[in-house]
Amino acid sequence: KNQVEQSPQSLIILEGKNCTLQCNYTVSPFSNLRWYKQDTGRGPVSLTIMTFSENTKSNGRYTATLDADTKQSSLHITASQLSDSASYICVVSARFSGGYNKLIFGAGTRLAVHP
Amino acid sequence: EPEVTQTPSHQVTQMGQEVILRCVPISNHLYFYWYRQILGQKVEFLVSFYNNEISEKSEIFDDQFSVERPDGSNFTLKIRSTKLEDSAMYFCASSPLSYEQYFGPGTRLTVT
Repeated sequence: KNQVEQSPQSLIILEGKNCTLQCNYTVSPFSNLRWYKQDTGRGPVSLTIMTFSENTKSNGRYTATLDADTKQSSLHITASQLSDSASYICVVSARFSGGYNKLIFGAGTRLAVHP
Repeated sequence: EPEVTQTPSHQVTQMGQEVILRCVPISNHLYFYWYRQILGQKVEFLVSFYNNEISEKSEIFDDQFSVERPDGSNFTLKIRSTKLEDSAMYFCASSPLSYEQYFGPGTRLTVT
C-alpha cells in the first residue's frame, strides 16, 4: 500500500534555530518527492521537488534530501523565522502511463516558531 | 503569475443537498485534480482528469461524486447528496505536461 509517514507530528522551535523534518515512504511507481508548506486554511505551496536521481535540493533556507535506497527524505530549515510556522507536508508522486501523477500525502509536521 | 482559483471560498449546505465546487485551472494546463482535507487530517486524493475523462479516482470518489469540465475553463466537482462527513476543505490542482501540480486556495465545505 502506498504510504508516506512523517515525523515528528509537531515541533516547537525558537526563532533563529534550525530544524529537520523527516519523511519515510513506500510508493510505487516512484516519480518524485515534494515538500509542501501549508498555512492554516490555505492550499499547499511547493517548496522543493526531487526526482529519483537527486540527493539534495535547496530553496532559500529550505534544504531537502532524498535517499531513494532507504526511501527517506528530510527537510532542513535554517535560521527559522516566525513566518515558517505552518504544516510541512511530504508528498510522494507516483507516475502512471498517460502522464498523470497521483500524489500521496503525508500527515504533515506542524511547526511552530516562537520568538 | 497565473494561479488556480476556486469558488466559493466557503460553502454551507444542508445534508442531502447537492453542491458544486468550482475551479478555474491555469489556462495551458492539461491535467486536473481534486483533493480533500478533513479538518486535522491529511490531504487525500479524490480524482484526476485528463482529456475530458477521469484518469484515476480513489475509493473516496464514489457515485455521489462527479467531475466535469463544462466549458474549457472551469473544472467542477459535484457532490450529489451531501453527508455530514463530506465537510472538508476541497482543493483543486492543475498541471501542465510536467509533473508540477499547482493548488488552488481551497473551498471549505460545511454540511449541517
